[in-house]
Amino acid sequence: AQKITQTQPGMFVQEKEAVTLDCTYDTSDPSYGLFWYKQPSSGEMIFLIYQGSYDQQNATEGRYSLNFQKARKSANLVISASQLGDSAMYFCAMREGPTGNQFYFGTGTSLTVIP
Amino acid sequence: GAGVSQSPSNKVTEKGKDVELRCDPISGHTALYWYRQSLGQGLEFLIYFQGNSAPDKSGLPSDRFSAERTGGSVSTLTIQRTQQEDSAVYLCASSPGTVQESYYGTDTQYFGPGTRLTVL
Repeated sequence: AQKITQTQPGMFVQEKEAVTLDCTYDTSDPSYGLFWYKQPSSGEMIFLIYQGSYDQQNATEGRYSLNFQKARKSANLVISASQLGDSAMYFCAMREGPTGNQFYFGTGTSLTVIP
Repeated sequence: GAGVSQSPSNKVTEKGKDVELRCDPISGHTALYWYRQSLGQGLEFLIYFQGNSAPDKSGLPSDRFSAERTGGSVSTLTIQRTQQEDSAVYLCASSPGTVQESYYGTDTQYFGPGTRLTVL
C-alpha cells in the first residue's frame, strides 16, 4: 500500500480564494510526522508546515493550515487567500517515528492560481 | 543561517562516465538524505545518513550508485558508468536528527536547490 496518497494531480483556484489539497497516509506507527512542501517551477523544495501525530491542534503557518483528521488518516493542506505565487507543485510527506528512516512522499498536486 | 547547498547546479555528462554530486548540509544537522526526482515525477528516496550510524542504502537503484558522508557533514553521491535513465534532479536534504524529533517522526527536512544531471 502507498504510504502517502495524493489523489489530485492538478488543481485550479481563483486568486484570493481558499483551496484544499488532499493527502491521506498509511501507517501503523503511533508516532509520525506529516509535512507539506512546495516546489515552484524553479525546482527547490520549500518546507511549508508539519503536524505531529500527537499534536492536539491543527498546525497553522500564516496562510497555510493543515486539516489533520487522525481517524481518517488524512492531512489536507488548506491555503487561504490564494496568490499567484502559490502556483507550484505541492508534496505531502510522512516520516514514521522510531522505526522510520525514510520520508515518504506523495506524487504531488500541481496547483494553478488563476488571476 | 546558510541553508543546504549542492554542487554543481547542473551537470551534463556522456553515457558511461562517472559523476560526483556534492551536498553541504545545514550546520549542526546530523541527518542527511539523497533523493532523485525525474521530470514531472515525485521524489525517489536514495540513501539516508544519521550521525555515525551505518547509512540506510535501501533506495539506491543499482550498485553503480554510492554515497559517502565525511566527518558527519559533507556528502558525495557518486554515479558510476552513467546511463541515460540516470538523468534527473538529485536533491539533498538535511534535518536536525535529534533523538526526540526522530522518535516522534517530527524531524523536518530542509532541501538544497538540487543538481540537474543530464546524461547524453
